Amino acid sequence: HVQLVQSGAEVKKPGASMKVSCKASGYTFSNYGISWVRQAPGQGLEWMGWISAYNGDTNYAQNLQGRVTMTTDTSTRTGYLELRSLTSDDTAVYYCARDDSGLSYFDSWGQGALVTVSS
Amino acid sequence: EIVLTQSPATLSLSPGERATLSCRASQRVATHLGWYQHKPGQAPRLLIYDASTRATGIPARFSGSGSGTDFTLTISSLEPEDFAIYYCQQRSNWPPTFGQGTKVEIK
Repeated sequence: HVQLVQSGAEVKKPGASMKVSCKASGYTFSNYGISWVRQAPGQGLEWMGWISAYNGDTNYAQNLQGRVTMTTDTSTRTGYLELRSLTSDDTAVYYCARDDSGLSYFDSWGQGALVTVSS
Repeated sequence: EIVLTQSPATLSLSPGERATLSCRASQRVATHLGWYQHKPGQAPRLLIYDASTRATGIPARFSGSGSGTDFTLTISSLEPEDFAIYYCQQRSNWPPTFGQGTKVEIK
């Protein structure tokens, strides 16, 4: 069955960078992409962007342009989310989700990774 | 971007009751709308896609309807495990967007 397993919780200082991983199994990795969605404490779900595991094409949310990079490693079936210049507003649970086009529904999700930004 | 407005913010009901959740889009999205269930400490779960199609393994008590700008998720008879937050999401126009959520809580 489809499974997405994410890296663990992290604590970061303001101004630092974070990198979360998402290892996929149970499907043909290159036939899909990965979207990243975050949820700040007490807030709703925010789509951050998408990367194609086929060719590396990306679409990022406009408010994160310049601070975010999404990558994939097809040899290990893993997606990565990097976010730079962190502030307390970036404290959130970060989810990866399988997404075939960057404008789709999210039928499988990782378990989430809590990133706390605090001095 | 398309804004999705969900109502009510909170729905207080008892097990066995019917839940009716609303999602209104700021622009027409045809039937390109999905619903998710989200419980604390868990990943969201896709319930409904294309406005009315149940995702794999979703019980028949969950149903979706609507098109254009107005959508409804109905839970016909609430089970104890259904108390959670529900989000709608559109995939009609980039970027994909979510509503702010409706919390279904035990009365």
